[in-house]
Amino acid sequence: DAMVIQNPRYQVTQFGKPVTLSCSQTLNHNVMYWYQQKSSQAPKLLFHYYDKDFNNEADTPDNFQSRRPNTSFCFLDIRSPGLGDAAMYLCATSRGGDTDTQYFGPGTRLTVL
Amino acid sequence: GDSVTQMEGPVTLSEEAFLTINCTYTATGYPSLFWYVQYPGEGLQLLLKATKADDKGSNKGFEATYRKETTSFHLEKGSVQVSDSAVYFCALPLSGGYNKLIFGAGTRLAVHP
Repeated sequence: DAMVIQNPRYQVTQFGKPVTLSCSQTLNHNVMYWYQQKSSQAPKLLFHYYDKDFNNEADTPDNFQSRRPNTSFCFLDIRSPGLGDAAMYLCATSRGGDTDTQYFGPGTRLTVL
Repeated sequence: GDSVTQMEGPVTLSEEAFLTINCTYTATGYPSLFWYVQYPGEGLQLLLKATKADDKGSNKGFEATYRKETTSFHLEKGSVQVSDSAVYFCALPLSGGYNKLIFGAGTRLAVHP
């Protein structure tokens, strides 16, 4: 059974048109993460939530925002997508301890036209 | 700062060959170390982990030993299968808590019959 679900799996948007990606989890984990993974590269952490506390990585562009309305759901908003934002976006969850496993969703592949 | 260095791929092997993927790290203290695997079109999933020095993580025939003397966590498998074809990422938690991971660049493995 899927534990971290991402919708949609594929998203096409136009340059500058806002887009929202969705993630939900059934694990009841405190921490949720969003990663950006460009082709043939390692995932790069954009931000994470511990419960409702939002933590932005220092080099995450302002164009990326996130919302976590409850434990189960987390959204990634890209306010004005550029061509360079085309990537796979991965959501993950964990209990937050440094020995804990992160559980990843299947990802949303974003195409910007 | 913390970093992870992986051997570059792609690695191409015949079925039943021996596999080694090198991983070295730079970190403060002795963090947990992880190997995650990404199968085509999917998110990442934990392959194995080690939480302290000299620990050996193992799963699905893969093994890795946490060696603090050489700051390494090399991944090995004695006999690879076609189904092992994937991208393998070495990772460790960044300092600061919440299990924020930094990944190596990834090593693509292709196994041919």
